Amino acid sequence: GQQVMQIPQYQHVQEGEDFTTYCNSSTTLSNIQWYKQRPGGHPVFLIQLVKSGEVKKQKRLTFQFGEAKKNSSLHITATQTTDVGTYFCAGIGLGGYQKVTFGTGTKLQVIP
Amino acid sequence: DTGVSQDPRHKITKRGQNVTFRCDPISEHNRLYWYRQTLGQGPEFLTYFQNEAQLEKSRLLSDRFSAERPKGSFSTLEIQRTEQGDSAMYLCASSLTATYEQYFGPGTRLTVT
Repeated sequence: GQQVMQIPQYQHVQEGEDFTTYCNSSTTLSNIQWYKQRPGGHPVFLIQLVKSGEVKKQKRLTFQFGEAKKNSSLHITATQTTDVGTYFCAGIGLGGYQKVTFGTGTKLQVIP
Repeated sequence: DTGVSQDPRHKITKRGQNVTFRCDPISEHNRLYWYRQTLGQGPEFLTYFQNEAQLEKSRLLSDRFSAERPKGSFSTLEIQRTEQGDSAMYLCASSLTATYEQYFGPGTRLTVT
């Protein structure tokens, strides 16, 4: 079955440092989505990537989708305390019912 | 539209009891998902619906779990003969189609004593 792994599991950074989380799927994906979950909250959609090699930016966040559509990354430049939370990727499978599989998540702590 | 709502927000039950949760998705959304999330883990897929049709159910889900979405609107998730291992946050999400973003509800936190 489709599996989606993320590394690292945890990351502590000083405020102002950069942060990157990587997402790897066991199967080729149709699309990939990224979500952020604040402590005590529910996942909130950030972005969706569709095309092979696609790069999208949202202010300090840069998202990439790999050429083979099996991996993705999220990079945050100059982290702020408001970036604290767990970041999940969610892979959407090809064909069939297009099952959505969430990754294991990367928990980001920002030290002021 | 007020987003995805779930009821109840918290449920404490004794082992062996049955519980039922309700999810009201965003009205025009065709897809509805149920997930389970435990502390420090990502949302674990349970099942999903396209309108009223239940398209897939996780193989991890025992026969004690059942979900319905009559008329393709709200959905219910029932857990029969609850066990302590069922304690978790149960999240519902809806989306317009498979390839659109999911909007999550606040979740129902289940504690089985």
